[in-house]
Amino acid sequence: DQQVKQNSPSLSVQEGRISILNCDYTNSMFDYFLWYKKYPAEGPTFLISISSIKDKNEDGRFTVFLNKSAKHLSLHIVPSQPGDSAVYFCAASEIRRRGATNKLIFGTGTLLAVQP
Amino acid sequence: EAQVTQNPRYLITVTGKKLTVTCSQNMNHEYMSWYRQDPGLGLRQIYYSMNVEVTDKGDVPEGYKVSRKEKRNFPLILESPSPNQTSLYFCASSLSVGPRSYNEQFFGPGTRLTVL
Repeated sequence: DQQVKQNSPSLSVQEGRISILNCDYTNSMFDYFLWYKKYPAEGPTFLISISSIKDKNEDGRFTVFLNKSAKHLSLHIVPSQPGDSAVYFCAASEIRRRGATNKLIFGTGTLLAVQP
Repeated sequence: EAQVTQNPRYLITVTGKKLTVTCSQNMNHEYMSWYRQDPGLGLRQIYYSMNVEVTDKGDVPEGYKVSRKEKRNFPLILESPSPNQTSLYFCASSLSVGPRSYNEQFFGPGTRLTVL
């Protein structure tokens, strides 16, 4: 049972436009969400995170939005650049739970292709 | 340079031949973890370690062993590999655990394992 879902396996966007990557989750106990970016032959690298007490977090061209009632988060990249082409993983965790173990539950990833 | 290293990066082996994938981090992180990535399933946690000599099972521990004798190293052991353990493996580490933890995990570059 996939607790974190990324329903779009791939996304193609023109350079300079906005990329929107979506993620849905089912476990209402998740209180921390992260986005990782992965290039081929490399490990995932942390991109941006958001706590459940917020609904938006911004870092340069990257913004993550969290809609707790809909159990949905999205990553916006504006403007998109060819170097952003990678697989993006959404991940969730329960960091405030007693006995939390830092375990991340990952989605299946979305391959973003930014066309020049 | 702060990093997580894994060896080997690629390995082809046969069923039943014991193997070890090493993982080392130079950031003095307490927490280390192993994930496997499979198509359509995202990354799933195999084992994790909260500190030296403290290890526990993740979501898919069957067929794997780990040890944490030193803070920097967290090897993954496959005593009798089988074809269903063919996968891409990632080691990860983070500073600590708990509600105030720095939850972003640093990942190694991955080990591509094929069991024939």
